[in-house]
This record gives sequence, C-alpha cells and structure tokens, in this order.
Amino acid sequence: DTEVTQTPKHLVMGMTNKKSLKCEQHMGHRAMYWYKQKAKKPPELMFVYSYEKLSINESVPSRFSPECPNSSLLNLHLHALQPEDSALYLCASSQGLAGGTDTQYFGPGTRLTVL
Amino acid sequence: AQKVTQAQTEISVVEKEDVTLDCVYETRDTTYYLFWYKQPPSGELVFLIRRNSFDEQNEISGRYSWNFQKSTSSFNFTITASQVVDSAVYFCALGAAGNKLTFGGGTRVLVKP
Repeated sequence: DTEVTQTPKHLVMGMTNKKSLKCEQHMGHRAMYWYKQKAKKPPELMFVYSYEKLSINESVPSRFSPECPNSSLLNLHLHALQPEDSALYLCASSQGLAGGTDTQYFGPGTRLTVL
Repeated sequence: AQKVTQAQTEISVVEKEDVTLDCVYETRDTTYYLFWYKQPPSGELVFLIRRNSFDEQNEISGRYSWNFQKSTSSFNFTITASQVVDSAVYFCALGAAGNKLTFGGGTRVLVKP
C-alpha cells in the first residue's frame, strides 16, 4: 500500500487565522516532505524530516511551521499567511533517508486559499 | 547543480495517437536516479518509474515506455495509443544522494476524444 493521506483537501483562511495541514503515511517510511506547488509550476521543496527530525528547511518563512509528532504523521502549522501563499501543498514520504534517490510517494494535496 | 528540462510545455493529441514526452537532464553525479510522475487534475503526483544511472535498459509497462540514453542525457517517455485518462501534467525528476529531487517544468498532455 503506497498511500499518503492529507487533510483537509481544501482550506480557505484569512491572513490572521491559524490553521494546520495534516499528513499521514503507514508505509514505515523514514523520511517525510512538504512541498508547495503554484499553478503551472513544479513542486518546490519546503521541509524534510528524516527519522522524525527536521533535516532540511529550504529557507521557508517562519509563518510556516512544520511538526513531526511521530514517524507516521507530519503537520504544517500556518499562521499569518499572505495571499501569495495560496497554493497546493503536497506531502510525500520515502523509504530511505531523505534525499533524491528513493522514490517519493505523494499525497493528494491540500488546496490552500489565503484571503 | 542539477537541472531537468522538459522543453514541451503542452502537447495535444487525439485519442489513440502516440505521444512522446522529452526530458533532458544535467548533473555532475555519476550515480543518480531519474523519475517520472503523473499529475492529473485532482492534484496528486502519481509515481510512474524510477531508473538509476547504471541501468540503461528501456522499459515498457503496458502502454507506457521509457527510453533512457545516457549519451544524450535524456529520459524520454512514450504513451502508446493514448486515452483521455492520460490527460495530465507529467513531470520528469532527477535525484542523487545528498541532493533534493529536482523537477522539470512539466509537460501538459491533453488527449481529445
């Protein structure tokens, strides 16, 4: 089973709201990723967790705060976002250590709109 | 630095036609991996294939086939007898140890009935 789940599917929030995106995988994968994808662009890496520890932060603004409560769960906490943060947020996981060698399996994404 | 180029931004075909998507990459690594993903309108990236740099055998999976040519740094993808359900954006990606996955810009395929 190569399934990564994400909730919610859609989220609309104001610039003063606090919300969280959730991601879950039960494949025993040791690395989990957050990507941001704008329309007609490829996914851009935001964060990588390896063995539940943050290993890569691609200079993402602090209004995005990742959290990995356990090996199966990955959250992205959102606070004081800007309209330009509206995008599709994708979660992924891979079996091995974080990087570009193992296959990353993606979830369906959360479509975020910031008003 | 790694780079992936998908020169075709959009391809439109009629159902049952074959369609080939080009992917050219640049890397200084001797060991690397190439991937293709499909992204239908629903948004999820669906993994299609992973190929390492030492395996230049072409691969066929149903209506899908891949042509890896190390000499030209290309990893092209062909859909044979296209169907409407093949309409999606297809991404080629390159990865190596210690590096993040580098995606190409994507090619949108529109299959008309």
